[in-house]
Amino acid sequence: AQSVAQPEDQVNVAEGNPLTVKCTYSVSGNPYLFWYVQYPNRGLQFLLKYITGDNLVKGSYGFEAEFNKSQTSFHLKKPSALVSDSALYFCAVRPMNTGFQKLVFGTGTRLLVSP
Amino acid sequence: DADVTQTPRNRITKTGKRIMLECSQTKGHDRMYWYRQDPGLGLQLIYYSFDVKDINKGEISDGYSVSRQAQAKFSLSLESAIPNQTALYFCATSQTNNEQFFGPGTRLTVL
Repeated sequence: AQSVAQPEDQVNVAEGNPLTVKCTYSVSGNPYLFWYVQYPNRGLQFLLKYITGDNLVKGSYGFEAEFNKSQTSFHLKKPSALVSDSALYFCAVRPMNTGFQKLVFGTGTRLLVSP
Repeated sequence: DADVTQTPRNRITKTGKRIMLECSQTKGHDRMYWYRQDPGLGLQLIYYSFDVKDINKGEISDGYSVSRQAQAKFSLSLESAIPNQTALYFCATSQTNNEQFFGPGTRLTVL
C-alpha cells in the first residue's frame, strides 16, 4: 500500500529565506506525486505535480519540487519565502498504474513565514 | 477553487439527525470525490464516482452514503450523524487520474 510521510508538523522560516517542506513516499512501481496548499477556511489548491520527465518540477507561486527516486522523496522548495506563503502544505502520491488508484495524502506541514 | 462549490459551508447538528452535504462543479470533470479532513490525519477518501452510474466506496465509507444526481452534482449524506463525524468535508473533481480540484469545504459539527 502506498504511503506518504511529512516528517515536520511545522516549518518556520524568515521572509526572504529559502524554504523546504519535506515529503517522502512509498508506492508500488512509479509514482505520481503532487503538492497542495491549504489556506485558512479554504479548500486544497493544486501547486504542482510530477508524472515523468525532468526531476525538477516548477509550479504555482514560485514553488518547485525535486523528485528523487533513490531517496523516494519529493521535497517542496522556494528560493525566497513570503509571509503570504504561510499555510498548510500537503504532499500526495498515487501509483502510476492503469485504472483508478486512490490518492494518498500526507498529514500536512504547517509553514510559518515570519516578517 | 470557485469551479467547485459546496453547501452548506458550516453546519451544526445533533446526534441522530440526517445531514446532506452538496457539491457542484462547473469544470466538466467526470470524476468526483468526497474526503474527510481531521486535524493531524490528512485527508481520507469517503466515496468516489466516475460517472452517474459508477459509485465506489473509499477507505472510510461506513456511516456515509452518496448520490450522483448528474455529472456536475455529488451529494454526501450522513444517515444518522454521530459526534465522531465532526470534521471538515471536502468535495473534489478530476479528469482521469490527473490532479484533483477541491471545493472550499464544509465544516460539520455533530453535538
